Amino acid sequence: QKEVEQNSGPLSVPEGAIASLNCTYSDRVSQSFFWYRQYSGKSPELIMSIYSNGDKEDGRFTAQLNKASQYVSLLIRDSQPSDSATYLCAVNPRSNYQLIWGAGTKLIIKP
Amino acid sequence: KAGVTQTPRYLIKTRGQQVTLSCSPISGHRSVSWYQQTPGQGLQFLFEYFSETQRNKGNFPGRFSGRQFSNSRSEMNVSTLELGDSALYLCASSDGTGISYEQYFGPGTRLTVT
Repeated sequence: QKEVEQNSGPLSVPEGAIASLNCTYSDRVSQSFFWYRQYSGKSPELIMSIYSNGDKEDGRFTAQLNKASQYVSLLIRDSQPSDSATYLCAVNPRSNYQLIWGAGTKLIIKP
Repeated sequence: KAGVTQTPRYLIKTRGQQVTLSCSPISGHRSVSWYQQTPGQGLQFLFEYFSETQRNKGNFPGRFSGRQFSNSRSEMNVSTLELGDSALYLCASSDGTGISYEQYFGPGTRLTVT
């Protein structure tokens, strides 16, 4: 079983709609969770971090964490074509300073 | 604050040669992690250095090595290059403490082995 799993996509969403990206992890004691965006040919960019159960909002982005169900999600409201990218989920499972990465979900926003 | 810098940005080497890549982290950050990224393989963790000590290591052969200097700058070295080493090599900078282990990436070095 992979430690961090994401649907590889591509996930196609109409412009202006809500894009929902999901990530599950296997280690129950994981403490910190991150979402990165990576444009083709570029390096990953941190867009959200979350540490406690519940929602965390930052502009059009909302991260949701449910530790009991071991999943973390990212919602992008009012999706724009510029949001088209691969979104990577990363988990710090035991605060041992090594992030475990999902394979990423490719998101396509259709104008 | 200046971001993470990596040099060189592009590199072409021949099979059997060796290569050294450099990473300068964000000022004040003491942790540097190195990753290899190839199409279809995602981010593969190489190693992490904190205060000049290797703290974590991934599952790569001994041809891949690294070090960190007292100013937190880090280098990674690949000896006896193979065609499969062609990849984007990324370094990520973090303060390296606490649970908020946010990593910030440099632009990467794209290595092509011919």
